[in-house]
Amino acid sequence: QKEVEQDPGPLSVPEGAIVSLNCTYSNSAFQYFMWYRQYSRKGPELLMYTYSSGNKEDGRFTAQVDKSSKYISLFIRDSQPSDSATYLCATSNAGNMLTFGGGTRLMVKP
Amino acid sequence: SQTIHQWPATLVQPVGSPLSLECTVEGTSNPNLYWYRQAAGRGLQLLFYSVGIGQISSEVPQNLSASRPQDRQFILSSKKLLLSDSGFYLCAWSVPSKNIQYFGAGTRLSVL
Repeated sequence: QKEVEQDPGPLSVPEGAIVSLNCTYSNSAFQYFMWYRQYSRKGPELLMYTYSSGNKEDGRFTAQVDKSSKYISLFIRDSQPSDSATYLCATSNAGNMLTFGGGTRLMVKP
Repeated sequence: SQTIHQWPATLVQPVGSPLSLECTVEGTSNPNLYWYRQAAGRGLQLLFYSVGIGQISSEVPQNLSASRPQDRQFILSSKKLLLSDSGFYLCAWSVPSKNIQYFGAGTRLSVL
């Protein structure tokens, strides 16, 4: 079993839809949770960073962590074609190493 | 502000040829540096990381090696490329006390 699981998709939604992207993890020591966005043939860029459980909002993006169920979510409101990309979740304990999910490919159709 | 440069963007190499990919970071001192490989449609596999000059930790035994000759320079090398070395190679850096990693633009390597 992988430490971080993520549905590879692709997830196809119409423009304006609310998107929900999810990851599950197995290591209860993970305390830090990140979402990266990766456009085709580009490096990942950090979208959201959260510590422990709870929600964090940034514009159209909301990151949610439920440590009791080891579940991480990223919500995108009013999705745009420019949101089409692969979204990677990542987790970490107190050290410097990140454990990545395999990524979910999102396609937002105009 | 900090920036990370990675080159070349694309590389096509024959089997058995050597490899050298370079990564440099600007605007910070003593960063942690990382090399990842990303196979098509798959997640990131950590290959090497470094916490200082000359200090390299290898995560996966393979045909590749890494070196850090200067504080903000990280090099990925191979003496003889294999077909299985094809992939998307990413360099990343982080502040030593933080676990957020910032990635370069990547190098797409095709070994033919």
